[in-house]
Amino acid sequence: NAGVTQTPKFQVLKTGQSMTLQCAQDMNHNSMYWYRQDPGMGLRLIYYSASEGTTDKGEVPNGYNVSRLNKREFSLRLESAAPSQTSVYFCASSEHGGSYSPLHFGNGTRLTVT
Amino acid sequence: GENVEQHPSTLSVQEGDSAVIKCTYSDSASNYFPWYKQELGKRPQLIIDIRSNVGEKKDQRIAVTLNKTAKHFSLHITETQPEDSAVYFCAPEDRNSGYALNFGKGTSLLVTP
Repeated sequence: NAGVTQTPKFQVLKTGQSMTLQCAQDMNHNSMYWYRQDPGMGLRLIYYSASEGTTDKGEVPNGYNVSRLNKREFSLRLESAAPSQTSVYFCASSEHGGSYSPLHFGNGTRLTVT
Repeated sequence: GENVEQHPSTLSVQEGDSAVIKCTYSDSASNYFPWYKQELGKRPQLIIDIRSNVGEKKDQRIAVTLNKTAKHFSLHITETQPEDSAVYFCAPEDRNSGYALNFGKGTSLLVTP
Protein backbone atom coordinates (compact mmCIF):
# COMPACT_ATOMS: atom_id res chain seq x y z
CA ASN A 1 0.00 0.00 0.00
CA ALA A 2 1.27 3.45 -0.91
CA GLY A 3 -0.85 5.16 1.78
CA VAL A 4 -1.52 8.80 0.88
CA THR A 5 -0.02 10.03 -2.39
CA GLN A 6 0.24 13.72 -3.27
CA THR A 7 1.26 15.29 -6.55
CA PRO A 8 3.15 17.36 -7.45
CA LYS A 9 5.95 17.45 -4.86
CA PHE A 10 7.07 20.94 -5.83
CA GLN A 11 5.42 23.75 -7.79
CA VAL A 12 6.23 27.36 -8.59
CA LEU A 13 3.41 29.63 -9.74
CA LYS A 14 3.15 33.24 -10.72
CA THR A 15 0.57 35.43 -8.99
CA GLY A 16 -2.83 34.90 -10.60
CA GLN A 17 -2.12 31.45 -12.02
CA SER A 18 -4.26 28.49 -11.08
CA MET A 19 -3.40 24.92 -10.19
CA THR A 20 -4.83 21.77 -8.64
CA LEU A 21 -3.08 19.69 -6.00
CA GLN A 22 -3.96 16.03 -6.25
CA CYS A 23 -4.33 13.58 -3.37
CA ALA A 24 -5.24 9.89 -3.38
CA GLN A 25 -5.35 7.27 -0.64
CA ASP A 26 -5.48 3.49 -0.98
CA MET A 27 -6.46 2.62 2.60
CA ASN A 28 -10.24 2.74 2.01
CA HIS A 29 -10.49 5.66 4.44
CA ASN A 30 -13.71 7.62 4.66
CA SER A 31 -12.37 11.05 5.63
CA MET A 32 -9.82 13.25 3.92
CA TYR A 33 -8.24 16.60 4.80
CA TRP A 34 -6.11 19.39 3.40
CA TYR A 35 -3.73 21.29 5.71
CA ARG A 36 -1.20 23.99 5.05
CA GLN A 37 2.00 24.40 7.07
CA ASP A 38 3.82 27.69 7.45
CA PRO A 39 6.91 28.30 9.61
CA GLY A 40 5.97 28.72 13.27
CA MET A 41 2.26 28.18 12.58
CA GLY A 42 1.82 24.45 12.89
CA LEU A 43 -0.65 22.85 10.49
CA ARG A 44 -3.88 24.67 9.73
CA LEU A 45 -6.94 22.98 8.27
CA ILE A 46 -8.08 24.33 4.89
CA TYR A 47 -10.93 21.97 3.97
CA TYR A 48 -12.07 18.52 4.93
CA SER A 49 -14.32 15.81 3.60
CA ALA A 50 -15.87 13.71 6.35
CA SER A 51 -17.20 11.21 3.84
CA GLU A 52 -17.55 10.74 0.10
CA GLY A 53 -19.86 13.40 -1.30
CA THR A 54 -19.33 15.97 1.47
CA THR A 55 -16.86 18.82 1.90
CA ASP A 56 -16.61 21.53 4.56
CA LYS A 57 -14.47 24.55 5.33
CA GLY A 58 -11.75 24.45 7.91
CA GLU A 59 -9.87 27.25 9.62
CA VAL A 60 -8.31 28.91 6.52
CA PRO A 61 -10.47 28.18 3.42
CA ASN A 62 -10.25 31.54 1.63
CA GLY A 63 -8.68 31.29 -1.84
CA TYR A 64 -9.17 27.53 -2.11
CA ASN A 65 -11.72 25.08 -3.42
CA VAL A 66 -11.87 21.31 -3.07
CA SER A 67 -13.41 18.34 -4.80
CA ARG A 68 -13.98 14.89 -3.34
CA LEU A 69 -13.89 13.09 -6.66
CA ASN A 70 -14.56 9.65 -5.17
CA LYS A 71 -13.70 7.81 -1.99
CA ARG A 72 -10.00 7.68 -2.91
CA GLU A 73 -9.35 11.18 -4.24
CA PHE A 74 -9.55 14.68 -2.75
CA SER A 75 -8.16 17.59 -4.75
CA LEU A 76 -7.35 21.17 -3.72
CA ARG A 77 -7.61 23.99 -6.25
CA LEU A 78 -6.11 27.45 -6.18
CA GLU A 79 -8.06 29.54 -8.68
CA SER A 80 -5.87 32.66 -8.58
CA ALA A 81 -2.68 32.08 -6.64
CA ALA A 82 -1.35 34.77 -4.30
CA PRO A 83 2.06 35.05 -2.58
CA SER A 84 0.30 34.46 0.77
CA GLN A 85 -0.46 30.94 -0.44
CA THR A 86 3.23 30.05 -0.53
CA SER A 87 3.31 27.11 1.86
CA VAL A 88 3.71 23.38 2.25
CA TYR A 89 0.41 21.58 1.67
CA PHE A 90 -0.37 18.25 3.28
CA CYS A 91 -3.20 15.93 2.43
CA ALA A 92 -4.30 13.44 5.09
CA SER A 93 -6.88 10.71 5.53
CA SER A 94 -8.50 8.93 8.45
CA GLU A 95 -10.41 5.70 8.65
CA HIS A 96 -13.80 6.85 9.79
CA GLY A 97 -13.66 10.55 10.60
CA GLY A 98 -15.08 10.02 14.03
CA SER A 99 -13.32 10.29 17.34
CA TYR A 100 -10.16 8.32 18.01
CA SER A 101 -9.24 8.44 14.33
CA PRO A 102 -5.56 9.18 13.64
CA LEU A 103 -4.56 11.03 10.50
CA HIS A 104 -2.23 9.55 7.89
CA PHE A 105 -0.34 12.20 5.93
CA GLY A 106 1.03 12.37 2.42
CA ASN A 107 4.55 13.62 1.77
CA GLY A 108 3.45 17.18 1.06
CA THR A 109 3.55 19.66 -1.82
CA ARG A 110 5.87 22.63 -1.55
CA LEU A 111 4.25 25.54 -3.36
CA THR A 112 5.92 28.88 -4.09
CA VAL A 113 3.92 31.78 -5.53
CA THR A 114 5.99 34.63 -6.92
CA GLY B 1 -4.83 25.85 15.29
CA GLU B 2 -7.16 27.92 17.31
CA ASN B 3 -7.13 27.55 21.09
CA VAL B 4 -4.34 24.98 21.22
CA GLU B 5 -1.15 26.07 22.93
CA GLN B 6 2.09 24.16 23.20
CA HIS B 7 4.99 24.87 25.53
CA PRO B 8 7.87 25.24 25.22
CA SER B 9 8.31 26.27 21.59
CA THR B 10 11.93 25.10 21.66
CA LEU B 11 13.64 22.61 23.93
CA SER B 12 17.28 21.57 24.06
CA VAL B 13 18.37 18.58 26.15
CA GLN B 14 21.44 16.43 26.46
CA GLU B 15 21.33 12.85 25.28
CA GLY B 16 19.95 10.64 28.03
CA ASP B 17 17.93 13.39 29.69
CA SER B 18 14.13 13.54 29.72
CA ALA B 19 11.97 15.96 27.73
CA VAL B 20 8.44 17.11 28.53
CA ILE B 21 6.14 19.09 26.24
CA LYS B 22 2.80 20.39 27.44
CA CYS B 23 -0.31 21.11 25.40
CA THR B 24 -3.38 23.01 26.56
CA TYR B 25 -6.67 23.07 24.68
CA SER B 26 -10.02 24.77 25.10
CA ASP B 27 -12.64 22.37 23.70
CA SER B 28 -13.93 20.34 26.65
CA ALA B 29 -15.71 18.01 24.19
CA SER B 30 -12.42 16.70 22.76
CA ASN B 31 -11.90 13.01 23.47
CA TYR B 32 -8.81 12.15 21.43
CA PHE B 33 -5.32 13.52 22.01
CA PRO B 34 -2.47 12.50 19.69
CA TRP B 35 1.12 13.63 19.37
CA TYR B 36 2.88 13.85 16.00
CA LYS B 37 6.59 13.97 15.21
CA GLN B 38 7.88 15.75 12.13
CA GLU B 39 11.47 15.43 11.01
CA LEU B 40 12.94 18.10 8.77
CA GLY B 41 11.42 17.97 5.29
CA LYS B 42 9.19 15.02 6.15
CA ARG B 43 5.50 14.50 6.84
CA PRO B 44 4.06 14.46 10.37
CA GLN B 45 3.81 10.97 11.83
CA LEU B 46 1.79 9.76 14.78
CA ILE B 47 3.95 8.67 17.71
CA ILE B 48 1.43 8.20 20.49
CA ASP B 49 -2.20 8.98 21.27
CA ILE B 50 -4.57 8.77 24.20
CA ARG B 51 -8.33 8.66 24.65
CA SER B 52 -10.19 10.67 27.22
CA ASN B 53 -11.07 7.68 29.40
CA VAL B 54 -7.40 7.00 30.06
CA GLY B 55 -5.04 9.10 32.19
CA GLU B 56 -1.70 7.82 30.94
CA LYS B 57 -0.32 5.72 28.12
CA LYS B 58 3.23 4.52 27.62
CA ASP B 59 5.09 3.10 24.63
CA GLN B 60 8.74 2.28 25.42
CA ARG B 61 10.49 5.65 25.98
CA ILE B 62 7.44 7.74 25.13
CA ALA B 63 4.44 8.47 27.32
CA VAL B 64 1.43 10.76 27.23
CA THR B 65 -0.50 11.96 30.27
CA LEU B 66 -3.91 13.59 30.18
CA ASN B 67 -5.63 15.89 32.65
CA LYS B 68 -9.07 16.35 31.12
CA THR B 69 -10.34 18.49 33.98
CA ALA B 70 -7.56 21.02 33.48
CA LYS B 71 -7.65 20.53 29.68
CA HIS B 72 -4.02 19.73 29.12
CA PHE B 73 -1.95 16.74 28.08
CA SER B 74 1.79 16.20 27.97
CA LEU B 75 4.35 14.25 26.00
CA HIS B 76 7.18 12.67 27.99
CA ILE B 77 10.30 11.31 26.33
CA THR B 78 12.82 9.51 28.55
CA GLU B 79 16.43 8.59 27.78
CA THR B 80 16.46 10.94 24.81
CA GLN B 81 18.57 10.11 21.76
CA PRO B 82 19.83 12.35 18.92
CA GLU B 83 17.25 10.76 16.58
CA ASP B 84 14.51 12.19 18.81
CA SER B 85 15.47 15.64 17.46
CA ALA B 86 12.43 16.86 15.51
CA VAL B 87 9.38 19.09 15.79
CA TYR B 88 6.58 17.67 17.92
CA PHE B 89 2.94 18.68 17.55
CA CYS B 90 0.01 18.08 19.82
CA ALA B 91 -3.26 17.79 17.92
CA PRO B 92 -6.46 17.40 19.96
CA GLU B 93 -9.50 16.53 17.88
CA ASP B 94 -11.86 19.28 16.84
CA ARG B 95 -15.45 18.12 17.02
CA ASN B 96 -16.57 21.23 15.17
CA SER B 97 -14.54 20.28 12.07
CA GLY B 98 -15.50 16.70 11.37
CA TYR B 99 -13.10 15.40 14.03
CA ALA B 100 -10.17 16.92 12.18
CA LEU B 101 -7.09 17.43 14.32
CA ASN B 102 -6.34 20.91 15.62
CA PHE B 103 -2.56 21.27 15.64
CA GLY B 104 -0.49 23.28 18.07
CA LYS B 105 2.34 25.43 16.71
CA GLY B 106 4.94 22.80 17.51
CA THR B 107 7.93 22.27 19.79
CA SER B 108 11.36 22.02 18.26
CA LEU B 109 13.35 19.46 20.27
CA LEU B 110 17.12 19.26 19.94
CA VAL B 111 18.98 16.39 21.59
CA THR B 112 22.70 17.00 21.74
CA PRO B 113 25.18 14.09 22.13
